[in-house]
Amino acid sequence: AQSVTQLDSQVPVFEEAPVELRCNYSSSVSVYLFWYVQYPNQGLQLLLKYLSGSTLVKGINGFEAEFNKSQTSFHLRKPSVHISDTAEYFCAVSRLSGGYQKVTFGTGTKLQVIP
Amino acid sequence: KAGVTQTPRYLIKTRGQQVTLSCSPISGHRSVSWYQQTPGQGLQFLFEYFSETQRNKGNFPGRFSGRQFSNSRSEMNVSTLELGDSALYLCASSRGTVDTDTQYFGPGTRLTVL
Repeated sequence: AQSVTQLDSQVPVFEEAPVELRCNYSSSVSVYLFWYVQYPNQGLQLLLKYLSGSTLVKGINGFEAEFNKSQTSFHLRKPSVHISDTAEYFCAVSRLSGGYQKVTFGTGTKLQVIP
Repeated sequence: KAGVTQTPRYLIKTRGQQVTLSCSPISGHRSVSWYQQTPGQGLQFLFEYFSETQRNKGNFPGRFSGRQFSNSRSEMNVSTLELGDSALYLCASSRGTVDTDTQYFGPGTRLTVL
């Protein structure tokens, strides 16, 4: 079984300040990790993903995430947020199970950028 | 390449009715997954279809069902609607054959049950 925990349900941050959205996972096998963003009244859009290789992954809109195997974490960061980053962010893990891909999403973190 | 499309975008139904939602995946994608999103429960997995077969199912009652056609388009049906079924229903498509796949989401169908 696998699970994803997003520790913060809401994160307020001032514009141009840095932000970190936390994600921890548990799995008995190797997994692949994803961050998605959902803007109001829209579907989810992929921000970045970690499959293998360098543990620092760069995504769209200036976001990056670092895979830490020992701490089973995949935290999302941005050095300077903009008002347009206000959205809900979802961490997800995937692995093959029984021959098909099994994806588990976290409960989401709402990022509110304050002007 | 066209993205995932969902129709209709908005629906209003009354309790006891049934509803059918449609999802057209990205061309070449054979897997379609359905999710229910509500403020209280977050993103919950309903089921996944791959090559016309349901191969993964979440923990939802039998009122929720789906199917997939030979062109990979998928429909989800909810019978005997309840107030608690009001939600954003998202579908996502992927190749579905490797664990490194990315799921691509549609814009969702907003269902309101009165």
